[in-house]
Amino acid sequence: EPEVTQTPSHQVTQMGQEVILRCVPISNHLYFYWYRQILGQKVEFLVSFYNNEISEKSEIFDDQFSVERPDGSNFTLKIRSTKLEDSAMYFCASRRPSGLYNEQFFGPGTRLTVL
Amino acid sequence: GNSVTQMEGPVTLSEEAFLTINCTYTATGYPSLFWYVQYPGEGLQLLLKATKADDKGSNKGFEATYRKETTSFHLEKGSVQVSDSAVYFCALSDQGTSGTYKYIFGTGTRLKVLA
Repeated sequence: EPEVTQTPSHQVTQMGQEVILRCVPISNHLYFYWYRQILGQKVEFLVSFYNNEISEKSEIFDDQFSVERPDGSNFTLKIRSTKLEDSAMYFCASRRPSGLYNEQFFGPGTRLTVL
Repeated sequence: GNSVTQMEGPVTLSEEAFLTINCTYTATGYPSLFWYVQYPGEGLQLLLKATKADDKGSNKGFEATYRKETTSFHLEKGSVQVSDSAVYFCALSDQGTSGTYKYIFGTGTRLKVLA
């Protein structure tokens, strides 16, 4: 069964450094998402991406964040200058162009620790 | 805007007890509704889903019915097991302004089942 994959599983970085989180969505999916879960808190929407552009973003997704689909398979989230409060689990998700439930398929997550 | 409210946890039950986790939502239109489960140290797994009023989603003994009149999607299981210990998230699919269908999650309810 196809699945969403994410790398790395755990990233440790120093405050102020740039990080890139990588995701490989399911191959025939066209909508892509990033969510964030700060430890012990709820999962929050960051950004959605369709047709090579951002379709919606939350207030969390400020100028320090960017997303890209550099090729036909990867979907990346870049944080330009990490802050302590960026420490969280980041989930990538994707979904088909159409579907009865608009169901999203989630990757296993990348745990980002900013020191 | 759309929102999801879940009962606060943690919920502690003995094995074979009946489980109910309450979830209510506020939404314009008719969103799809989901329950996701997160086991310790793992990502989000879809547990069940429903797309319209009176639909019942079910999986692994868990059930939830989409109740439009009470705007609820309560999760139930007749007899819990220790292996059901996890955090459960209720979510709705929000069409948004661009048809992105991002998810809005509840705060999550931690379930602990004792042998």
